[in-house]
Amino acid sequence: DTGVSQDPRHKITKRGQNVTFRCDPISEHNRLYWYRQTLGQGPEFLTYFQNEAQLEKSRLLSDRFSAERPKGSFSTLEIQRTEQGDSAMYLCASSYRDRGTEAFFGQGTRLTVV
Amino acid sequence: AQKVTQAQTEISVVEKEDVTLDCVYETRDTTYYLFWYKQPPSGELVFLIRRNSFDEQNEISGRYSWNFQKSTSSFNFTITASQVVDSAVYFCALSEAAMGRQLTFGSGTQLTVLP
Repeated sequence: DTGVSQDPRHKITKRGQNVTFRCDPISEHNRLYWYRQTLGQGPEFLTYFQNEAQLEKSRLLSDRFSAERPKGSFSTLEIQRTEQGDSAMYLCASSYRDRGTEAFFGQGTRLTVV
Repeated sequence: AQKVTQAQTEISVVEKEDVTLDCVYETRDTTYYLFWYKQPPSGELVFLIRRNSFDEQNEISGRYSWNFQKSTSSFNFTITASQVVDSAVYFCALSEAAMGRQLTFGSGTQLTVLP
């Protein structure tokens, strides 16, 4: 068990560019979550998957954001036409549905839009 | 709607002092879960504890203890004999049973333990 892995750890992009982040959850976990954390704030829920199905999306997830989890394993979060307001830490977490509700988090991807 | 309030933005203590981090929550559900996470400078959120709404027993784990009181909607966290390595941001979080188990976080408390 290597924990939740996120790639890249840091991303700097120009406004208007598209970016994609990857999350590899703990292998036996069937739930995967994406959160966004801005400086000085707690993480805010974006979306979650149970296996390959995306079951819930937050109002924070605008049309420029899309997430996938093909085959119920790793997940990707894509942001199209990035804006400066998208600068944040993007955190991925995973949990096992039937064994309690604690989620284990990755180290996050810090996005800076310039 | 659910909400978690951590009124203490920053706390500084000297090593070996005890410190309590406050957490107040709001929810309409009768079944819910409360959590504490630690976020060191490296950025990874580290799970510390989970409590469900039906279990009001206080819990102690080493230097950490938690006090859950439904009457005041509070779930406070105490570190006894603090150490420099305890310096981090601590988040309290709530998960409602009907919400797919995603977490609603408070804004966090930055704890600095001075040597």
